[in-house]
Amino acid sequence: DAGVTQSPTHLIKTRGQQVTLRCSPKSGHDTVSWYQQALGQGPQFIFQYYEEEERQRGNFPDRFSGHQFPNYSSELNVNALLLGDSALYLCASSLGWAHTEAFFGQGTRLTVV
Amino acid sequence: AQSVTQLGSHVSVSEGALVLLRCNYSSSVPPYLFWYVQYPNQGLQLLLKYTTGATLVKGINGFEAEFKKSETSFHLTKPSAHMSDAAEYFCAVTSRGAGSYQLTFGKGTKLSVIP
Repeated sequence: DAGVTQSPTHLIKTRGQQVTLRCSPKSGHDTVSWYQQALGQGPQFIFQYYEEEERQRGNFPDRFSGHQFPNYSSELNVNALLLGDSALYLCASSLGWAHTEAFFGQGTRLTVV
Repeated sequence: AQSVTQLGSHVSVSEGALVLLRCNYSSSVPPYLFWYVQYPNQGLQLLLKYTTGATLVKGINGFEAEFKKSETSFHLTKPSAHMSDAAEYFCAVTSRGAGSYQLTFGKGTKLSVIP
């Protein structure tokens, strides 16, 4: 049973560019949440998708947007990249939005130069 | 609103010694509490969780944690540290009800195990 898979594993982008990160949830899960983990910090909640809709959002600007597809996979898009967007982006999946357990992927390391 | 405070960004213990990682939380409604472990360049792995019921929770790899409502704490312990326990540990809280189940994490505690 495949767990949560994220692609790509590493990415280098230039300031001002746009980036798309992808996540496939654990088999049987229908809810995907995205987190940003800056170096030396704990993960911070970006947003959660359930039934192809954004259900909750953390304190992140509109430059951060997402999508969930009918097969429950998800994308995170970041526009107008800033140096401060450099971080590990983690995807977590769960069964139902009112979950009590989230499974995390390995993350995508984004470096903005 | 909810928050997590982890006391000590770095903890060093000798192999075989007791591991104690501290976590205090703040939540306006009854919390769900979690401990996750992160190895270098990897994602988060769930160690254990408290939702309801027994306040002493046992997890994987010999770890356990006790939910103490009066102290708003959820400290993580392991009787005897192993070299493979060296990693970063994150305490997290989410709140029941109110339609919000986002995880709020602490800043993490890096555990070093000295041979």
